Amino acid sequence: AQSVTQLGSHVSVSEGALVLLRCNYSSSVPPYLFWYVQYPNQGLQLLLKYTTGATLVKGINGFEAEFKKSETSFHLTKPSAHMSDAAEYFCAVSDRFGNEKLTFGTGTRLTIIP
Amino acid sequence: DSGVTQTPKHLITATGQRVTLRCSPRSGDLSVYWYQQSLDQGLQFLIQYYNGEERAKGNILERFSAQQFPDLHSELNLSSLELGDSALYFCASSGTGDEGPVTGELFFGEGSRLTVL
Repeated sequence: AQSVTQLGSHVSVSEGALVLLRCNYSSSVPPYLFWYVQYPNQGLQLLLKYTTGATLVKGINGFEAEFKKSETSFHLTKPSAHMSDAAEYFCAVSDRFGNEKLTFGTGTRLTIIP
Repeated sequence: DSGVTQTPKHLITATGQRVTLRCSPRSGDLSVYWYQQSLDQGLQFLIQYYNGEERAKGNILERFSAQQFPDLHSELNLSSLELGDSALYFCASSGTGDEGPVTGELFFGEGSRLTVL
């Protein structure tokens, strides 16, 4: 069975500071990995995904994540936080063989301090 | 705008009642997924349909059922409602070819917020 663990249900960073949201996965097969963002009163929106190829993936709004197989991690980063980044972020995993059923982490709420 | 439409956006009902949530997927998407989001359980996968047939089932209660119609819209039926069923219910769809799911990317609607009193 696949799973993801997001460390830290709440993260606060100052505007302009580095954003680091942690995600570790467990999968018996090579995984597809995703980060989704949920703004208040909205549905989830894909930020970025890793399927194959380059392990550093870039997404929307300046976010990026690096797939590290040896560490079973897929941490999300952004060099400089903006007020508009305040939202809930979900890491998700699916298996590599065409299964689009995503297993989500419990989410990390990001607060930006002015 | 993801292209996935869910109705109603908000629903308040009483325990023991039955409700139906509706989802229209993105144009051309064959797969529809239902997720439940609650404070204590997080985002839980309920069920997936592909081109009218059930493909995968998750933590869906026996009181809940779903179906996908020939026009590809889907409905989630919740019956004998309990207080604990209060949650945000999301529908998502995915782009698929004839060979089945490919990309792993889901497109989410804005959800239907169910409150059971």
